[in-house]
Amino acid sequence: SQQGEEDPQALSIQEGENATMNCSYKTSINNLQWYRQNSGRGLVHLILIRSNEREKHSGRLRVTLDTSKKSSSLLITASRAADTASYFCAPSSGSARQLTFGSGTQLTVLP
Amino acid sequence: GAGVSQSPSNKVTEKGKDVELRCDPISGHTALYWYRQSLGQGLEFLIYFQGNSAPDKSGLPSDRFSAERTGGSVSTLTIQRTQQEDSAVYLCASSLTQDSEQYFGPGTRLTVT
Repeated sequence: SQQGEEDPQALSIQEGENATMNCSYKTSINNLQWYRQNSGRGLVHLILIRSNEREKHSGRLRVTLDTSKKSSSLLITASRAADTASYFCAPSSGSARQLTFGSGTQLTVLP
Repeated sequence: GAGVSQSPSNKVTEKGKDVELRCDPISGHTALYWYRQSLGQGLEFLIYFQGNSAPDKSGLPSDRFSAERTGGSVSTLTIQRTQQEDSAVYLCASSLTQDSEQYFGPGTRLTVT
């Protein structure tokens, strides 16, 4: 498996604004998953996007994938204080199925 | 439906003791993973079970660590002769197939004193 690199490392926005975070990876992937982890809580799966997909939506979340640039982005629209968390991307490639996380993006949504 | 469950939620043990951590995956999920997350560290893969295939043990840090999955469902991670560096949150995840999204349990926080 390979590790994605999230950018920015930290992001602070006001409630109601949109938040965009990016993920870059190095080699071809089968799919890429986004996860959220609140302080002191477990990992929550957000979205899985496959290599043949370009965009996927789930509620206020929109994920895009650009395989030519080896990058993905996660957009959270109309953010809420409850969206405050660390966000991780996990690219999956080859036969390896285990996930590897980078340092994540720490999102803070101010009320 | 029920998610992945793990027990115990917290475990404090003395150095040198053995511990067993349990994971109940989502019913019908064929793949099961164990990870650990140390304070301030990223996610570290430990072991992966897929159906009846031999498990991928490539992430186990030492021979003190072992895991089994009985009947393709419940899994137990055993750490023998625990050391202080084993202190971490141990996370279990399961997925419907080996290519689908992984759902994580709440974890077991292990503290070795």
